[in-house]
Amino acid sequence: NAGVMQNPRHLVRRRGQEARLRCSPMKGHSHVYWYRQLPEEGLKFMVYLQKENIIDESGMPKERFSAEFPKEGPSILRIQQVVRGDSAAYFCASSPGGPQHFGDGTRLSIL
Amino acid sequence: SQKIEQNSEALNIQEGKTATLTCNYTNYSPAYLQWYRQDPGRGPVFLLLIRENEKEKRKERLKVTFDTTLKQSLFHITASQPADSATYLCALGPTDAGGTSYGKLTFGQGTILTVHP
Repeated sequence: NAGVMQNPRHLVRRRGQEARLRCSPMKGHSHVYWYRQLPEEGLKFMVYLQKENIIDESGMPKERFSAEFPKEGPSILRIQQVVRGDSAAYFCASSPGGPQHFGDGTRLSIL
Repeated sequence: SQKIEQNSEALNIQEGKTATLTCNYTNYSPAYLQWYRQDPGRGPVFLLLIRENEKEKRKERLKVTFDTTLKQSLFHITASQPADSATYLCALGPTDAGGTSYGKLTFGQGTILTVHP
């Protein structure tokens, strides 16, 4: 039973480019969460999605960030016009209801 | 605002001893609390969940307590081993009317545990 799969594991972008982070939840999990871990900081919630619906986006920056979880395919976290401050590890978690199971993250570096 | 503190940034203990990690919270009434382990370069791995109406939970060498009056959880690893060395995170979350945990988790900063042989 494969765990939560995130890709790419490492992503390098130049300022102003777009970053697309993908998350395939565990089989049977319909709840997906995105968290961000900045250097020397703890995990911070960004967004909670169920298939085709955003349930809670209270942790998402108001601009440049968006997330989706389509009926088919992985969940996508999209960051437009990246800035240096977006450099972080982005973790996805999935759940059927109950404990959340995390992927190993995408480490985003902005040049 | 909600605040979660894990009292030790780092904890060093000798192999075989019991490690005790503390998680305190304020301005929050969580329905459940979870403990995770995180190794360098990896995502958090779920260890234990305890609900607000449970006082204690055990799993193998792990034990968690949850005191909603003190707003504190203690996480114990008995007979610790060097392989237990990692960062341990506590996380608080809400629940739904059915008692299942849903929704965002609020994490503490983590405690780095090092078990020396």
